[in-house]
Amino acid sequence: QSVLTQPPSASGTPGQRVTISCSGSSSNVETNTVKWYQQFPGTAPKLLIFGNDQRPSGVPDRFSGSKSGTSASLAISGLQSEDEADYYCAAWDDSLNGYVFGTGTQVTVL
Amino acid sequence: EVQLVESGGGLVKPGGSLRLSCAASGFTFSSYTMTWVRQAPGKGLEWVSSISSSGTYIYYADSVKGRFTISRDNAKNSLYLQMNSLRAEDTAVYYCARDRGPVPGMGDDAFDIWGQGTMVTVSS
Repeated sequence: QSVLTQPPSASGTPGQRVTISCSGSSSNVETNTVKWYQQFPGTAPKLLIFGNDQRPSGVPDRFSGSKSGTSASLAISGLQSEDEADYYCAAWDDSLNGYVFGTGTQVTVL
Repeated sequence: EVQLVESGGGLVKPGGSLRLSCAASGFTFSSYTMTWVRQAPGKGLEWVSSISSSGTYIYYADSVKGRFTISRDNAKNSLYLQMNSLRAEDTAVYYCARDRGPVPGMGDDAFDIWGQGTMVTVSS
């Protein structure tokens, strides 16, 4: 069940900044940390952001995360062609006692 | 090299059973929460189940509760998912993932290592 809402698509030209929103509720995004995952077709997802705004080692600083209340965002600065992928937010949900993923956003580089 | 390798997927009839395995290597398996995530063809990610490092805490998505059982064998560095009463809607690629948090939903939890996935097809 996807209880986190994301726009289905986002796009930009190389070098632009693209932002993806993730809308949740008081039982998930507001009270627990948000993570972001990047997935290329036919491959496993990769962790991009954890703890709302922390990047794992090896993730370029072009990727940044933020959170305010029941919403979170992933920003990609200096968009590159290799950023074309699907992006998912996720968080623990205290009401469901489980993780919930966002609906996913497909990023296209024009 | 830190690695997760799933196995056990395949074609099964509705109502049938399947057991997935995930072999871990390159890290101290017994120190980490482990999770199963699935992705139906052309669809988004769906969390299935998580088990804490010692097996004390176990959680399931409502969609699989009562039908799936997660377990682990820390001596064998292995994670399992027993899937019973399978339905067509269970058709998906099943990924196992390592959770960097100590307990599901706590701390800086996030799925930082993923396997390549194993396909499960439920069809008559």
